[in-house]
Amino acid sequence: GNSVTQMEGPVTLSEEAFLTINCTYTATGYPSLFWYVQYPGEGLQLLLKATKADDKGSNKGFEATYRKETTSFHLEKGSVQVSDSAVYFCALNLYSGGGADGLTFGKGTHLIIQP
Amino acid sequence: DVKVTQSSRYLVKRTGEKVFLECVQDMDHENMFWYRQDPGLGLRLIYFSYDVKMKEKGDIPEGYSVSREKKERFSLILESASTNQTSMYLCASTGGAAGANVLTFGAGSRLTVL
Repeated sequence: GNSVTQMEGPVTLSEEAFLTINCTYTATGYPSLFWYVQYPGEGLQLLLKATKADDKGSNKGFEATYRKETTSFHLEKGSVQVSDSAVYFCALNLYSGGGADGLTFGKGTHLIIQP
Repeated sequence: DVKVTQSSRYLVKRTGEKVFLECVQDMDHENMFWYRQDPGLGLRLIYFSYDVKMKEKGDIPEGYSVSREKKERFSLILESASTNQTSMYLCASTGGAAGANVLTFGAGSRLTVL
């Protein structure tokens, strides 16, 4: 079946550090890939997405590139801020036009940024 | 700006009680979903609905039911709450310009069953 593996953390960094959160996936086809973020006390919200190989999603200084050869979608940010502290979820949807019932989520990575 | 509203943020119930979790969205989305979120397990889909009066089982429907009498409202029902249903419950919807696979979530309902 389809699955998403990501580092669970917590990941603790100092402000302005470089961030990488690894995400790898297993899927029987060519999925769309997503990063969602959950700030404290809130629901999840879409951070970025990529729908085909070599696509780069970006938003709020975060980037992730769809790497088919390594089945990965690692999240990066050049200089993190305290306000980036949150839980980050990697997800895939096997069918690019499919509904959200086809979404498979990773277990989430808790990121803590210290001033 | 609020788009998906879960009426109860925190609930404490006793084993065997019937529990209703309400969710309302104001985006005219066709599709609505209920997930539960547990530490170390991530998000798991309980039920979803693609239309009024329509429901489909997700990955973990046991012990739950749902109701969708109006397009904007999707209710999760625990007929007889048990302690293993203590969790964070997240409602979400999709549709419109964002597309069918981009979820808009509510803030969550944290349920404790004693």
